[in-house]
Amino acid sequence: GAVVSQHPSRVICKSGTSVKIECRSLDFQATTMFWYRQFPKQSLMLMATSNEGSKATYEQGVEKDKFLINHASLTLSTLTVTSAHPEDSSFYICSAGQVWGDEQYFGPGTRLTVT
Amino acid sequence: GIQVEQSPPDLILQEGANSTLRCNFSDSVNNLQWFHQNPWGQLINLFYIPSGTKQNGRLSATTVATERYSLLYISSSQTTDSGVYSCEGSARQLTFGSGTQLTVLP
Repeated sequence: GAVVSQHPSRVICKSGTSVKIECRSLDFQATTMFWYRQFPKQSLMLMATSNEGSKATYEQGVEKDKFLINHASLTLSTLTVTSAHPEDSSFYICSAGQVWGDEQYFGPGTRLTVT
Repeated sequence: GIQVEQSPPDLILQEGANSTLRCNFSDSVNNLQWFHQNPWGQLINLFYIPSGTKQNGRLSATTVATERYSLLYISSSQTTDSGVYSCEGSARQLTFGSGTQLTVLP
């Protein structure tokens, strides 16, 4: 059990366009989902906490108007990178737990390349 | 916020060797998790261990919550154990260790 999926696994987009990444909990309901970014050779960096039915909480330094998060159901959270730039190229990972502070299950990640 | 110190930052082992990885927290955390990121980026939960000891095959973990540290033991290491091992704790916010890069040589 406790499977989290992400879609797409890889995406290449042109600079200035927007990209949506989906994170789904397949066999449990997740009131809380987390979005991370990871640059090569670096550790995970938490971007935001997504709570079902309410606004996401963004970490310091993360632009909420650029990284739009929607957690409209207990099994789906989406991250939209708006007006993407090459420096947004990274590995984006989500995790989900039944409640905040509970064990987190990670998605397989989405590798975004902005050209 | 809470600081997490993870050690060692890098570790190279010969296949079959044992190792101990450590996370120290600057303050109390309510929940603690160890996970492994393989060379392809996939993150795998190892243990959810706010306190006590757990074992899963060749891996085991111990968290001493009162002393704010956790240990991950890897016994009889295999080349497939290579990757980054990280701990994460949560209190009012999530905090990650910087990871231990483990390389197991054949």
